[in-house]
Amino acid sequence: GAGVSQSPSNKVTEKGKDVELRCDPISGHTALYWYRQSLGQGLEFLIYFQGNSAPDKSGLPSDRFSAERTGGSVSTLTIQRTQQEDSAVYLCASSLELAGRRRQYFGAGTRLSVL
Amino acid sequence: AQSVTQPDIHITVSEGASLELRCNYSYGATPYLFWYVQSPGQGLQLLLKYFSGDTLVQGIKGFEAEFKRSQSSFNLRKPSVHWSDAAEYFCAVGQGQGAQKLVFGQGTRLTINP
Repeated sequence: GAGVSQSPSNKVTEKGKDVELRCDPISGHTALYWYRQSLGQGLEFLIYFQGNSAPDKSGLPSDRFSAERTGGSVSTLTIQRTQQEDSAVYLCASSLELAGRRRQYFGAGTRLSVL
Repeated sequence: AQSVTQPDIHITVSEGASLELRCNYSYGATPYLFWYVQSPGQGLQLLLKYFSGDTLVQGIKGFEAEFKRSQSSFNLRKPSVHWSDAAEYFCAVGQGQGAQKLVFGQGTRLTINP
């Protein structure tokens, strides 16, 4: 596709359930990033991938959060045993390579609501 | 760790008026600085970026920003705003060895009066 695609656009789940959020980066982009946007914390970095490897997982808020990337393309962010404080918009971005100079292109996000 | 402060949570200006959105950063070396805009229901769109060189940076949609090392600032400006500029604006600094992790400010919501 022309841009970064995220699915679903909206997800409502019950507390304690697991959720999977998907990100399709721009074709050919080797770097992929996940961010979270919430009312209380603003926009915060979660994790990035260079190819299928995630060298820095320090931004993940707890061990309930995990992410993987396969084939150097699609990435999935998984939240286990969701809590109400996980409610946020989860944004994915991709760039041509992993470098600060490279522009990050953002998807429209997945709005997660935990009831 | 690097941090970014946007002192103004909400700004209202009249259409046609000039605009300045403030951004202050804390970082030891020369930072990689960005301004993004987010319209309702949309992803973040890059307006402009600064890495080095000329401290006055031109971006899209008629925006510009000036890097001032002495003030640790990277303020965004536009000489004449349009109603379509109403959105949320985020200043960010690149963190990490390759500056690839973006650290964002809290954002400034811009409202345009007709």
